[in-house]
Amino acid sequence: DIQMTQSPSSLSASVGDRVTITCRASQSISSYLNWYQQKPGTAPKLLIYAASSLQSGVPSRFSGSGSGTDFTLTISSLQPEDFATYYCQHSYSTLFTFGPGTKVDIK
Amino acid sequence: QVRLVESGGGLVKPGGSLRLSCEASGFTFSEHYMSWVRQAPGKGLEWVSYISSSSRYINYADSVKGRFTISRDNAKNSLYLQIHSLRAEDTAVYYCARAVFGVTTSYYFDYWGQGTLVTVSS
Repeated sequence: DIQMTQSPSSLSASVGDRVTITCRASQSISSYLNWYQQKPGTAPKLLIYAASSLQSGVPSRFSGSGSGTDFTLTISSLQPEDFATYYCQHSYSTLFTFGPGTKVDIK
Repeated sequence: QVRLVESGGGLVKPGGSLRLSCEASGFTFSEHYMSWVRQAPGKGLEWVSYISSSSRYINYADSVKGRFTISRDNAKNSLYLQIHSLRAEDTAVYYCARAVFGVTTSYYFDYWGQGTLVTVSS
C-alpha cells in the first residue's frame, strides 16, 4: 500500500505570509495527488486535484506542484480564512490514502 | 446544487452493527463513483471504501475489510455503509463523498456531506 507523509505536521504563520506544505508518497504516484482543506467541525473541501489543478471556486492564492513522490501546496499570501488543517491524498490506486495533515494556525 | 446528507449514526455497543445512509441530490447520482471517509475524534481523515457507479467495482481499507459493506441504490440516489462487529476504534464521523474520475486526473472527491457520528462504547 502507498503511504503518505506530510511536513510539517503544524506551522504558525501570519496573515500575508507565504506558506508551503510538503507531501511525500512512499512510491511514485505520477500526478495523482489531491489537496483538501478542513476547518474544525466542517467537512473537508477540495482545493487542488491532479497535483496542480485548482478546483472551481478556490482562490488563486492556492497552488499545487509536484509529480512522482514529492508534492507541495503553496498559499501565496495567507488570509484569515486559511487557518485550517490541510490533507493530501493520493489516487494512484483505489486505496485512497490520506496524509496525516498539516495544521496551519495563527502566529 | 449538489447535496449529500448522511444519516444513521449513533451510539452502539462493541460488537454491534449499524447502517449508514447518504442521500444525494443535485446531480446524476448513477454517473458517479462514491466513497466513505471517516475521521476519529481529533484525528486525521481515513478513507474507508468506494463503489463504482454501477456497483461493479468496490474496495475497502484494510482496517475495515470483512466488517464493512458498501452498497448503493441508484433508483433512490442513496449510498450505504453496513458496519458489523463494531470496535471502539471505529468511533468517528463518517463522511460520504462524491468522486470524480478523469483519465488524466484519476479520482478526487469534490463534494462531501456534513458527516454522521458513530460512537462505539459500552
